[in-house]
Amino acid sequence: SAVISQKPSRDICQRGTSLTIQCQVDSQVTMMFWYRQQPGQSLTLIATANQGSEATYESGFVIDKFPISRPNLTFSTLTVSNMSPEDSSIYLCSVALGVAGELFFGEGSRLTVL
Amino acid sequence: DAKTTQPTSMDCAEGRAANLPCNHSTISGNEYVYWYRQIHSQGPQYIIHGLKNNETNEMASLIITEDRKSSTLILPHATLRDTAVYYCIFHGSGNTGKLIFGQGTTLQVKP
Repeated sequence: SAVISQKPSRDICQRGTSLTIQCQVDSQVTMMFWYRQQPGQSLTLIATANQGSEATYESGFVIDKFPISRPNLTFSTLTVSNMSPEDSSIYLCSVALGVAGELFFGEGSRLTVL
Repeated sequence: DAKTTQPTSMDCAEGRAANLPCNHSTISGNEYVYWYRQIHSQGPQYIIHGLKNNETNEMASLIITEDRKSSTLILPHATLRDTAVYYCIFHGSGNTGKLIFGQGTTLQVKP
């Protein structure tokens, strides 16, 4: 398994501002993923962030709104840009480990946009 | 995207076995079935995965049918702390490593 730390754990932000969420892993991992979980919903994959390449975004998510950095094998950031109340969600970082690519998750960053 | 079918919700008495079914009829021969759970306000937790054979670990057992089109997660002695949303997932086409979550089964363990 892996220990995955996310910062901030929660934040309250104003409409139109941007917030950067950090994800730190205690071991080197190739595959890292960012998910969003809106209130009462399941997890939705935002993008895949592999070190050394541009992030790959899922349908409905764009780089201008959710820029991602992956500077090394233990760290990534997700920025939520020009926030609106619809961006209020839990944002989760996850990494794939093991022979079968099991995912391990951080505790999430709970974002509230006013 | 890969599609699984799970009941929306289930109840289980504390101390009894909880059997959570999942249909994954489009799974291909080299794709693993994964189970995760999410306890309220926490990040999802990996439980178990399997390919063809039944699997058991300290948390649960996984029974996969011979045709691999369905599986059952078994929590042998459910406790109140097992109340959570349980997700059955497989990768789907392509080896991208990403997992797409469905709506899962909300398991309520009752005293």
